[in-house]
Amino acid sequence: QVQLQESGPGLVKPAQTLSLTCSVSGGSISSGDYFWSWIRQPPGKGLEWIGYIYYSGDPYYNPSLKSRVAISVDTSKSQFSLKLSSVTAADTAVYYCVRGAPQLGITGDSYYFMDVWGKGTTVTVS
Amino acid sequence: DIQLTQSPSSLSASVGDRVSITCRASQSISNYLNWYQQKPGRAPKVLIYGASNLQTGVPSRFSGRGSGTEFTLTISSLQLEDFSTYYCQQSYSTPPITFGQGTRLEIK
Repeated sequence: QVQLQESGPGLVKPAQTLSLTCSVSGGSISSGDYFWSWIRQPPGKGLEWIGYIYYSGDPYYNPSLKSRVAISVDTSKSQFSLKLSSVTAADTAVYYCVRGAPQLGITGDSYYFMDVWGKGTTVTVS
Repeated sequence: DIQLTQSPSSLSASVGDRVSITCRASQSISNYLNWYQQKPGRAPKVLIYGASNLQTGVPSRFSGRGSGTEFTLTISSLQLEDFSTYYCQQSYSTPPITFGQGTRLEIK
């Protein structure tokens, strides 16, 4: 069973770069069916998509964060990473790494949803 | 970008009640709508995908319906473990992936 584990500093200073890594175990990061994503949740608030990447393709980012974010994949280490630059207190959140996967519905159509989540890591900007 | 609006934002109910949560999309998303449950301190988990397909292992008291711009998640008979926050998410037009703002289901 695929498992995801986030790692990285829990405290980042304002104006610095937040760097997190997600380790994928129990499955291949190189399958073309899946995308690998970062989602965050500020304290007491809802879910915000940061971006995603397929192992062999270009990354896609939330337009509101696009100028500050970079997501990459290292297939040799079975990891994908997040870098968020010029952080402020507003970037304080729980950060989740997530797998997006297709699944067939009853009618035979294919739907993508986030099927595997890491436990999340709290990052505080202060 | 497609916006998703959930209603209500919070809901109080009792064990055994039947409850429904609505998610409205700013434009038609066919049936590309997923529902997640999140318990405090835990990562979300998917309940329903493609508007009405029950994810493996999810109890049958959960059901989803809808298409176009209006969707509903229904819990037929609330159990203690169902008191959580629920999010809808669209997969019709991505990127970006968008979520509803969440519905907090509390014990009355």
